[in-house]
Amino acid sequence: QKEVEQDPGPLSVPEGAIVSLNCTYSNSAFQYFMWYRQYSRKGPELLMYTYSSGNKEDGRFTAQVDKSSKYISLFIRDSQPSDSATYLCAMSANTNAGKSTFGDGTTLTVKP
Amino acid sequence: DTGVSQNPRHKITKRGQNVTFRCDPISEHNRLYWYRQTLGQGPEFLTYFQNEAQLEKSRLLSDRFSAERPKGSFSTLEIQRTEQGDSAMYLCASSLAWGALDKNIQYFGAGTRLSVL
Repeated sequence: QKEVEQDPGPLSVPEGAIVSLNCTYSNSAFQYFMWYRQYSRKGPELLMYTYSSGNKEDGRFTAQVDKSSKYISLFIRDSQPSDSATYLCAMSANTNAGKSTFGDGTTLTVKP
Repeated sequence: DTGVSQNPRHKITKRGQNVTFRCDPISEHNRLYWYRQTLGQGPEFLTYFQNEAQLEKSRLLSDRFSAERPKGSFSTLEIQRTEQGDSAMYLCASSLAWGALDKNIQYFGAGTRLSVL
């Protein structure tokens, strides 16, 4: 079983919909939680990061972390066709751990 | 600052040949990471450096793979005797680790896509 599991999708929604993307994890040492967006044949682009549990909002994006349930979410409000991409969750342990562990991504299509 | 730069963007090689990729991190970042990503999968960690020191290597990194960061700036990843299974996107990322400022937030380059024929 992978350390990080991500809802595989694909997910298709109409423009303006609220999108929910989710990941679960098994390693309780994870403290930093990131969401990346990746367009086809491009590198991942950092969208948001959070430390420990709680919510963080940035424009149309909200990241939630529930460490007690080992569950993280990314919400996209008023989704746009330009949001169509693959979304990757990533996590890392303490600052000396170095590597991030990624989910396999959820592909989102927002239809105009 | 132009972000993390990787070259070449695409490399096609024949099985058995050696290939080398280069990564230039964000200038003030002291950590540099290499990941490999195959279609439909998330990036998998290969190795990382803090300055010139290679601090961790994944078991995915076979003896045919070697990475260097000789002056603590750019890094190279070499694959010897390439195999078809090496075909993947090779991603480089960098971050700033400096005491309490270290959030381990990694910024990625566009990747080098390797095709082994």
